[in-house]
Amino acid sequence: NAGVTQTPKFQVLKTGQSMTLQCAQDMNHEYMSWYRQDPGMGLRLIHYSVGAGITDQGEVPNGYNVSRSTTEDFPLRLLSAAPSQTSVYFCASSYSSGSGGPRDTQYFGPGTRLTVL
Amino acid sequence: EDKVVQSPLSLVVHEGDTVTLNCSYEVTNFRSLLWYKQEKKAPTFLFMLTSSGIEKKSGRLSSILDKKELFSILNITATQTGDSAIYLCASSTGTASKLTFGTGTRLQVTL
Repeated sequence: NAGVTQTPKFQVLKTGQSMTLQCAQDMNHEYMSWYRQDPGMGLRLIHYSVGAGITDQGEVPNGYNVSRSTTEDFPLRLLSAAPSQTSVYFCASSYSSGSGGPRDTQYFGPGTRLTVL
Repeated sequence: EDKVVQSPLSLVVHEGDTVTLNCSYEVTNFRSLLWYKQEKKAPTFLFMLTSSGIEKKSGRLSSILDKKELFSILNITATQTGDSAIYLCASSTGTASKLTFGTGTRLQVTL
């Protein structure tokens, strides 16, 4: 298994540009999520999905869109990039959600470092 | 608002020392408490704790949860330079197991 993969690893955008961060997992995990990590802030949840066709907002969803057309893929779209979106973005997945047991453990991808000028 | 607080923010110890990292949480619909280690890239999973008082152990690392007092500790004995990392604590809440993270403890182990 490749686990959770993310592309690209690095990206530089200009203010106002749009782009899509890709996330894929080959573990047949139902639950997928996107986090951003900023210095001194820890990881913050952007959007999450409990299965194909179902998405919901996390703590900091503004400026981002997601969709989940397949179990494997969960892309994150930046609609109009702003300097405040400069961050490291992590995608994570788990077998399930809500059971309170080991199947809830989320596994993280390698991250995408995004800079918006 | 769900909150997870870690202390200390950073720590420098000598190789061989024992360290204790702290994590307190105030969340609704608590499911579990997770510890992750983050070196240069993605956080890697260490422990998941769901029951009070039961210690989870893996080599030199161990962790325990106190659901009454709403905190967890991560112990690392006989530290090595390879233990240098940011240690993240997260609370899993609600039916969708959303993770709320603390800001992390940066541990540096020196020779």
